[in-house]
Amino acid sequence: SQQGEEDPQALSIQEGENATMNCSYKTSINNLQWYRQNSGRGLVHLILIRSNEREKHSGRLRVTLDTSKKSSSLLITASRAADTASYFCATRAGANNLFFGTGTRLTVIP
Amino acid sequence: NAGVTQTPKFQVLKTGQSMTLQCAQDMNHNSMYWYRQDPGMGLRLIYYSASEGTTDKGEVPNGYNVSRLNKREFSLRLESAAPSQTSVYFCASSGGPPETQYFGPGTRLLVL
Repeated sequence: SQQGEEDPQALSIQEGENATMNCSYKTSINNLQWYRQNSGRGLVHLILIRSNEREKHSGRLRVTLDTSKKSSSLLITASRAADTASYFCATRAGANNLFFGTGTRLTVIP
Repeated sequence: NAGVTQTPKFQVLKTGQSMTLQCAQDMNHNSMYWYRQDPGMGLRLIYYSASEGTTDKGEVPNGYNVSRLNKREFSLRLESAAPSQTSVYFCASSGGPPETQYFGPGTRLLVL
């Protein structure tokens, strides 16, 4: 069974608005990562947050991690049409495996 | 740098046929992975190789075999394809324990 679960499953916003998607997981983790997948393409790594970190920024991305609630959120500020994609969280619990969630499909309307 | 490459991009098989999906990376990574992606299921790990010469089962290994041919190449074999194996297959690599993973473009497989 998968470790992470994203919410919402789909999100549609206007260009310029902020997009927030959430990830919940089940067991203790070493780190949590977010990936983007454009339609018909492979996944691209966006950002990694370690279990001892609470917040991390990268450009227009902001990730938070609450290990007590076993949850994370990804905020994309000032969204652009090019941000239209599916976003996945992935958690590393053991030595070698990442577990991916089912993804949030984001549509940014120009 | 090509990153992670996969061949073929698309394949149609009949039930019972066999095929091998190829994956190669040019980043000198130790670890390589095979995932399948199905609608509504996210990515599920089939097999992985933590280093050259080692392979281990992931979440959904049944019906598949793998070979870590050398540090660059990691192949996935379907010995007798079934319609349930219709999916998009992704290969990925990472420098060590799964920090950032780099993904190939995927192979779309249809089993009739």
